[in-house]
Amino acid sequence: DQQVKQNSPSLSVQEGRISILNCDYTNSMFDYFLWYKKYPAEGPTFLISISSIKDKNEDGRFTVFLNKSAKHLSLHIVPSQPGDSAVYFCAASGNNNAGNMLTFGGGTRLMVKP
Amino acid sequence: GAGVSQTPSNKVTEKGKYVELRCDPISGHTALYWYRQSLGQGPEFLIYFQGTGAADDSGLPNDRFFAVRPEGSVSTLKIQRTERGDSAVYLCASSLTGVTGELFFGEGSRLTVL
Repeated sequence: DQQVKQNSPSLSVQEGRISILNCDYTNSMFDYFLWYKKYPAEGPTFLISISSIKDKNEDGRFTVFLNKSAKHLSLHIVPSQPGDSAVYFCAASGNNNAGNMLTFGGGTRLMVKP
Repeated sequence: GAGVSQTPSNKVTEKGKYVELRCDPISGHTALYWYRQSLGQGPEFLIYFQGTGAADDSGLPNDRFFAVRPEGSVSTLKIQRTERGDSAVYLCASSLTGVTGELFFGEGSRLTVL
């Protein structure tokens, strides 16, 4: 039972345009959401996060939107750059025994074409 | 270095052998996590340490998997009688408190069981 789902395994975008990556979750106990970026042969690196008390968080070119009623979040990257090409993982955490253990989605591979 | 360090970066072994994977977290981080990432999937939680104790080992797939963190810093993931299905990238992450915030990941140890 996947609690965090990224339904698009890949996304291709032209340089300079907006990239929108989507994520859905099922566990209503999740209260903190993160996006990680992963290059080949490297570990995931933190990109941006949002608490469930907010519906938007912005950091430079990256904005995360949270729709709690729909249990949906999205990551917007604008303008997209070729260096943004990577696999993006959505992750969530909530009140559980494992500290701030993260539950990850399956990832979306973003390709930004020059 | 300042980041999470994992060794070995690559390990090839034969079915039935014993394997140890090591993780050196960021200095001062009390929380340590092990994840497993199979090809095309997101990281899956294995075990979480708070200090020296395993606070949650619910993600370990079976009793062939075991992890220790005897001094509250370096951790070792141990896999007995390896099977081909154990082939994956094993990721270690650490967090300052394990209460909230982001996890910092190492580059992972790629295990291949022939």
